[in-house]
Amino acid sequence: AQSVTQLGSHVSVSEGALVLLRCNYSSSVPPYLFWYVQYPNQGLQLLLKYTSAATLVKGINGFEAEFKKSETSFHLTKPSAHMSDAAEYFCAVIDYSSASKIIFGSGTRLSIRP
Amino acid sequence: GAGVSQSPSNKVTEKGKDVELRCDPISGHTALYWYRQSLGQGLEFLIYFQGNSAPDKSGLPSDRFSAERTGGSVSTLTIQRTQQEDSAVYLCASSPRQGPQETQYFGPGTRLLVL
Repeated sequence: AQSVTQLGSHVSVSEGALVLLRCNYSSSVPPYLFWYVQYPNQGLQLLLKYTSAATLVKGINGFEAEFKKSETSFHLTKPSAHMSDAAEYFCAVIDYSSASKIIFGSGTRLSIRP
Repeated sequence: GAGVSQSPSNKVTEKGKDVELRCDPISGHTALYWYRQSLGQGLEFLIYFQGNSAPDKSGLPSDRFSAERTGGSVSTLTIQRTQQEDSAVYLCASSPRQGPQETQYFGPGTRLLVL
């Protein structure tokens, strides 16, 4: 079975600082991994996805994530935080043993300090 | 093009009443999913439709929950005899086809409050 664990329910960084949101996965098969973002009172938007083509995945809004099999990690980073990045971020994995449903992590709320 | 739409955006109901939530997937998408986002349970899968195949109902929390998809397009999630613990945001997603590599596109959700 697949699962993801997000470390830190709340992360706060200063504007312009590095953003690092942590995600570790558990999977008995090669995983398909995703990061979604949810802005206040909005639906989920795909930031990026890993489908085994390349270990470093670039997404929208300057975010990227690196798949590290040895560490079973898929951390999300952005070199310089912007106020508009304040949102909740979900790491997710596909459970393709069952209808390809998404299994979400518990989420990390990112706050940006001026 | 148009994304996934859901209606209503907000619904307030009294305990014991039935509610229907609607999802219009992206045109041409054959796979449709319902998820629920609640404070206590986070984001969880409810039900999945793929084309004309029998739906995967493995995530439905009780027999008060049901869903249908008419004509392979619009889907309706019905909750009978609503309870306060049903209060949550109900999210619909669609993808071009079923498969782990396919991106699921989410609608804005229906926020349900059961008083």
